[in-house]
Amino acid sequence: GENVEQHPSTLSVQEGDSAVIKCTYSDSASNYFPWYKQELGKGPQLIIDIRSNVGEKKDQRIAVTLNKTAKHFSLHITETQPEDSAVYFCAAISNTGNQFYFGTGTSLTVIP
Amino acid sequence: EAGVTQSPTHLIKTRGQQATLRCSPISGHTSVYWYQQALGLGLQFLLWYDEGEERNRGNFPPRFSGRQFPNYSSELNVNALELEDSALYLCASTSLAGVSNEQFFGPGTRLTVL
Repeated sequence: GENVEQHPSTLSVQEGDSAVIKCTYSDSASNYFPWYKQELGKGPQLIIDIRSNVGEKKDQRIAVTLNKTAKHFSLHITETQPEDSAVYFCAAISNTGNQFYFGTGTSLTVIP
Repeated sequence: EAGVTQSPTHLIKTRGQQATLRCSPISGHTSVYWYQQALGLGLQFLLWYDEGEERNRGNFPPRFSGRQFPNYSSELNVNALELEDSALYLCASTSLAGVSNEQFFGPGTRLTVL
């Protein structure tokens, strides 16, 4: 089955700096890669996703890049704000699979 | 539009007891997924229901089971509770059976086993 690894497990940045979280996956058939943000006491919420037919996707301060050859994808948050502080999860899913495989999460702290 | 709802918010049980957790998907969503989120760990896939049928289950023992009702709501049952079952249980729903679609998560049920 799929194996998703996520790094780092914790990340602290100064407000206004950029944050990068990286994930690798093992199943070359994976073709959908969502990123979720989980705030304290809440369920995860989708913030951005990318499919295997594109290499990059951007939504305001958030971007995701995908390198299919190397089997890794990354979340980039620019101009970080305190409200970006949360746990972020990556996930990978394939056409042939029928479940999500999540990374172990990154706890991001943005220091004002 | 109401989101995914879960009940109860918190549940405290003792070892050996049974726990029942409930989930109501977003209106129009037919697929429901259950995940276990233990402290410090990521989300571990438990079960997937679609159109009333169990489509897949994760690597959990048979004492984790569930069902989906005709109105697409779902129930997760955990029998013979063990201390390590203490976790946040998340339910997610999606409108299409294909998993390559956004899953909408509920707030979770915090299960504590004493």
